[in-house]
Parts: sequence; structure tokens; C-alpha cells
Amino acid sequence: QSALTQPPSASGSPGQSVTISCTGTSSDVGGHNYVSWYQQHPGKAPKLMIYEVTKRPSGVPDRFSGSKSGNTASLTVSGLQAEDEADYHCSSYAGSNNWVFGGGTKLTVL
Amino acid sequence: EVQLVESGGGLVQPGGSLRLSCAVSGFTFNTHWMHWVRQAPGKGLVWVSHIYSDGSRTSYADSVRGRFTISRDNAKNTLYLQMNSLRPEDTAVYYCVRDRTYGMGDWGQGTTVTVSS
Repeated sequence: QSALTQPPSASGSPGQSVTISCTGTSSDVGGHNYVSWYQQHPGKAPKLMIYEVTKRPSGVPDRFSGSKSGNTASLTVSGLQAEDEADYHCSSYAGSNNWVFGGGTKLTVL
Repeated sequence: EVQLVESGGGLVQPGGSLRLSCAVSGFTFNTHWMHWVRQAPGKGLVWVSHIYSDGSRTSYADSVRGRFTISRDNAKNTLYLQMNSLRPEDTAVYYCVRDRTYGMGDWGQGTTVTVSS
């Protein structure tokens, strides 16, 4: 049950795009199409932004998109806005009713 | 509106026990898998435990297996986490989470557990 690997920080200017990676193994990210992404503002509970690698829950702007290649999943935020500044966490199903999270990425809007 | 409200957190000495509860509303509880996820101060999220919709199967992170027990009362729309033999490293905010297709869908606001002498 090793954690997924995310960069500790990412940044971009308003209007730009930024991509955050989430690297696992063939047992989790690479082996299942059940990668999710969460946004967490300081002092708040996480919020689901992407599930099943690419799907957006209702109410999540289409500026947020997800993808996966091999053992690495990615979250792309396009048209950055000030309110996108937050921590972003990925998770993956790891088989046998186990789940694993990444360490989180702090996104700064410059 | 989906609501998940955790309770039961607090300060406990190492070796002690706590039982967390999560009262849910706004959805059909007995048709959903549920999870507990925790977050230590300044750290990332960590999956703790999962339970099937009917309570027939449970799973745990290695770090809590044998010490924590997840359960649910579908008649009371409530999820539980019994935590025994608590350690300082169990200090965290504990979130109750509704599963969404093998991911974490809806989250409660969290309850804080502090293990310290």
C-alpha cells in the first residue's frame, strides 16, 4: 500500500493551463480505470473533481479534465482562475478492496 | 442534499479507544459502499477502511488492521469506526466518505482525533 507519487507543488498564471501528475504502479493506477482527483481548500473537506480517470461530477467546470497513460494519471486545469488555488489529491483503486492516495499537490495561481 | 456528519473525535491517551460515528442523509445509505479516510496535520489523505453496502465485507489499511473496526447500521443510516490501541500517529482528521465508482464521492466535514498523553 505505497502512496501514489505527486509533485508537491505546481503553479500557473491566470488563464494558463497546468497539469498535475500522479504516478503509481501496475497494481493501482496502471491496472484499473478508477483514478479520482480531489480539490481541497484550506480547512475544508476534499471535493471530488474527477472520477473513473476522465469523468466529471455534475457541477465541476469542464476546465478540469483527467487522463491516464500507463501507470501515470494526470489532472489538467485549463483557464486557471484564482479560486483554483488549492491542494489537489489523487486516489486509485488498488485491487482487493484497497485504495491508495497520492501525497497531494499544492496548486498556486500566480 | 447529501449530508455526512461525523462525530466522536477528541483527545485520547496512547493505548486508548474511540468510536467515531457518521450520520448520513440525502441518499439511500444501504445501497452504497462507504469509507473512512484520514488526514494528519499538514499531510496528505490516507485511506483507512471500507465497507460493503450490506456490511458483509470490510477492508483496512495495513497501518490500522487489527486495531480499527468499521461497521454500519443501515437502519440508523450510520457508519462507525471503532478505534482501539490508539497511537500518536493516528492523530488526524477522520472523514466519512460515500464511495463513487471505486473512488471517494461525497465527504463529511471531518472529526478530529488527537492521541497524546
